[in-house]
Amino acid sequence: DGGITQSPKYLFRKEGQNVTLSCEQNLNHDAMYWYRQDPGQGLRLIYYSQIVNDFQKGDIAEGYSVSREKKESFPLTVTSAQKNPTAFYLCASSVTASSGNTIYFGEGSWLTVV
Amino acid sequence: QQPVQSPQAVILREGEDAVINCSSSKALYSVHWYRQKHGEAPVFLMILLKGGEQKGHEKISASFNEKKQQSSLYLTASQLSYSGTYFCGTETGTYKYIFGTGTRLKVLA
Repeated sequence: DGGITQSPKYLFRKEGQNVTLSCEQNLNHDAMYWYRQDPGQGLRLIYYSQIVNDFQKGDIAEGYSVSREKKESFPLTVTSAQKNPTAFYLCASSVTASSGNTIYFGEGSWLTVV
Repeated sequence: QQPVQSPQAVILREGEDAVINCSSSKALYSVHWYRQKHGEAPVFLMILLKGGEQKGHEKISASFNEKKQQSSLYLTASQLSYSGTYFCGTETGTYKYIFGTGTRLKVLA
């Protein structure tokens, strides 16, 4: 089935360690996104990518890094520079149609810093 | 700047109606609405592309006023399954897609 797969679902990290969240899509979508969601909060854009080997910072990119070496993959690294990384992370992709862009989400990854 | 949604939270009884508003400080060219259950991925509800456009999805409909930079989501005769957090979303630049602050909706039996 087509969709967006995020892994791991749950991740615990010690302070000072980097961690990478995986995101793979088989929808053949060009654009991919990473969002962060804190309890009771909205979705905030971290990074987005329109095409392979190109990506742009979103509104809260500090302390995060991404790569887009393949169309179907857009991993997010949460670095030790991110001061408060505990959150729910959502990966998404989009397709452009005559009716506009529609965003499709993965199931999310819960990151907890211990 | 995230679009601002109001109210932040609302509690309803089954069968009651609700309106969720989304307001942007920047021009809106399109508005999307999503619903998210706790700990799950947001689910697409509808997209509105034109000023003054209204669309419907079951008993959920929405309006979009470009001039006022606002959109509203209307939930009619709410059901228990409508509980969740609702987000509006909009594209602020080429492929730069942001979401509103969210509205938590709880429907009680």
